Amino acid sequence: DAGVTQSPTHLIKTRGQHVTLRCSPISGHKSVSWYQQVLGQGPQFIFQYYEKEERGRGNFPDRFSARQFPNYSSELNVNALLLGDSALYLCASSMGTGNQPQHFGDGTRLSIL
Amino acid sequence: QQQVKQSPQSLIVQKGGIPIINCAYENTAFDYFPWYQQFPGKGPALLIAIRPDVSEKKEGRFTISFNKSAKQFSLHIMDSQPGDSATYFCAASRTDSWGKFQFGAGTQVVVTP
Repeated sequence: DAGVTQSPTHLIKTRGQHVTLRCSPISGHKSVSWYQQVLGQGPQFIFQYYEKEERGRGNFPDRFSARQFPNYSSELNVNALLLGDSALYLCASSMGTGNQPQHFGDGTRLSIL
Repeated sequence: QQQVKQSPQSLIVQKGGIPIINCAYENTAFDYFPWYQQFPGKGPALLIAIRPDVSEKKEGRFTISFNKSAKQFSLHIMDSQPGDSATYFCAASRTDSWGKFQFGAGTQVVVTP
């Protein structure tokens, strides 16, 4: 079975641009969460979506937004990119809500110049 | 505010040794504690998880010890191998948090031949 897939794997942008990152969950998983992992640190929670609704939001500015589609795939959008947005963006999927095991993709490495 | 504190930051052991990684938390509402293993260029992979009604859990060479009164939990890697060299993250979440995981800062483990 395919795991969580994310695209693109790498991306280079300049300050002020916007970016869209994509995630396909494991088949049968209805929940998708997004995390930001800065080099040398643990992942930081950004959003969780379940059944196409936002269920949780971390301490990130409104420049960050996301959505989930009817097939449970998800997009993370970041506007007005800053140098500090350079990070590995991880998507995790799980069966449902609450304390379900979360399975991560290999992430999108975003570099801001 | 870091809700999960992980130590040590790095660890070097010889093959066959037992690296031990410790995590401490403050929020007594946390009720799910997973450990993840991350290799360079890859996303975190779920290793093992524990809930507070259990004091110890073993899966293969990985063991979690949980001390609810001290609000601490630890990962032991038995008979460590060079292939175990990776960064390990502890995490914690609450059932009512819609799967929002709080991660520790990570421990880089190196197992020498």
